[in-house]
Amino acid sequence: KQEVTQIPAALSVPEGENLVLNCSFTDSAIYNLQWFRQDPGKGLTSLLLIQSSQREQTSGRLNASLDKSSGRSTLYIAASQPGDSATYLCAVHGGATNKLIFGTGTLLAVQP
Amino acid sequence: NAGVMQNPRHLVRRRGQEARLRCSPMKGHSHVYWYRQLPEEGLKFMVYLQKENIIDESGMPKERFSAEFPKEGPSILRIQQVVRGDSAAYFCASSLSDTREAFFGQGTRLTVV
Repeated sequence: KQEVTQIPAALSVPEGENLVLNCSFTDSAIYNLQWFRQDPGKGLTSLLLIQSSQREQTSGRLNASLDKSSGRSTLYIAASQPGDSATYLCAVHGGATNKLIFGTGTLLAVQP
Repeated sequence: NAGVMQNPRHLVRRRGQEARLRCSPMKGHSHVYWYRQLPEEGLKFMVYLQKENIIDESGMPKERFSAEFPKEGPSILRIQQVVRGDSAAYFCASSLSDTREAFFGQGTRLTVV
């Protein structure tokens, strides 16, 4: 059974700092991994999608990496801003039916 | 191309009533996923559907909950005889295929009073 874990559960950093969020999954047989952002009381916004054959994806200040063999992904946020404050979720497409399985999330607070 | 549309955004039901949650996927998407998010908890998978088929319902409670995705029209998540514990945010996502990027709606927040 696929399990997805995110560390840390919460993170508080001063504005301008670079930071790394971690995601690990137990079954390496995945098709892709997706990072999302969720603001309080809102839906999920897709940030980056990494196919299983890829090592990383970049979008603006965000860079996501994938090491499928070790079951790990990281989301790197450069020069953090208060507007980056949100919960960040990773999810893998996998399992027998390729459903999307979510991690536990990291609550990020960027202090001005 | 509008995003994933869920309605209603907020729904209040009394205990014992039925709740119907609708999800219109993005144009061209034939794969729909439903998730439930309890307060201060993560997203829990409920059901995965393709047009007219349930692919995986391993996360659905055995009783009172059902889902469909007809050939025409939105996907419907139906909760019969709601109880207070059903109060949560219910999210729908759609994708082109089971391995492509998934896009989420804004959710329906169900409150059972």
